[in-house]
Amino acid sequence: SQQGEEDPQALSIQEGENATMNCSYKTSINNLQWYRQNSGRGLVHLILIRSNEREKHSGRLRVTLDTSKKSSSLLITASRAADTASYFCSKDGGSQGNLIFGKGTKLSVKP
Amino acid sequence: GAVVSQHPSRVICKSGTSVKIECRSLDFQATTMFWYRQFPKKSLMLMATSNEGSKATYEQGVEKDKFLINHASLTLSTLTVTSAHPEDSSFYICSGGTGAPSNYGYTFGSGTRLTVV
Repeated sequence: SQQGEEDPQALSIQEGENATMNCSYKTSINNLQWYRQNSGRGLVHLILIRSNEREKHSGRLRVTLDTSKKSSSLLITASRAADTASYFCSKDGGSQGNLIFGKGTKLSVKP
Repeated sequence: GAVVSQHPSRVICKSGTSVKIECRSLDFQATTMFWYRQFPKKSLMLMATSNEGSKATYEQGVEKDKFLINHASLTLSTLTVTSAHPEDSSFYICSGGTGAPSNYGYTFGSGTRLTVV
């Protein structure tokens, strides 16, 4: 399976703490993307990082990519209760040009 | 930014009936629409890919006669679940693209929760 794997599967933290989620993949990529999904809702794009990039920032989000280890991490700093959601990494390379998603990390931020 | 409008957001139907889900790209032309299915606490699994004006490509194990996809225009793609059964109950999400993701990634609809009773 080309599907990526996120860990942890679930993460519970207090507001103000940092949350780190990891993603590993098996085959080479052109880019890797992180998405957020609130319960029962669609996906919201967070960050796209290309294979020649090592780190990318967007507000309180920081994504790193290590192509030698085929892994990526998403760091949310100073978390808020509103960050509670599931986070998915996805890679390009689907046979139809589609994205291939990992299983996701369910983040719970307690106020 | 690009928006994909998906309707309905929730639908409950009886076994044996058909349900149509629509995805419209509002401010861009989606030459490709990906249809995903998501089971509870699971990841998104690609069901099929539709390209405007041509037949959809279905993933292995997805019944093309059961999940009818139409992509008649660059702004509208539909998924019809025919003769629905309780096991078809799931969350369906579409994603529109113009060929390759920009720095903003692919644009997803808000999803449709289908419950077949």
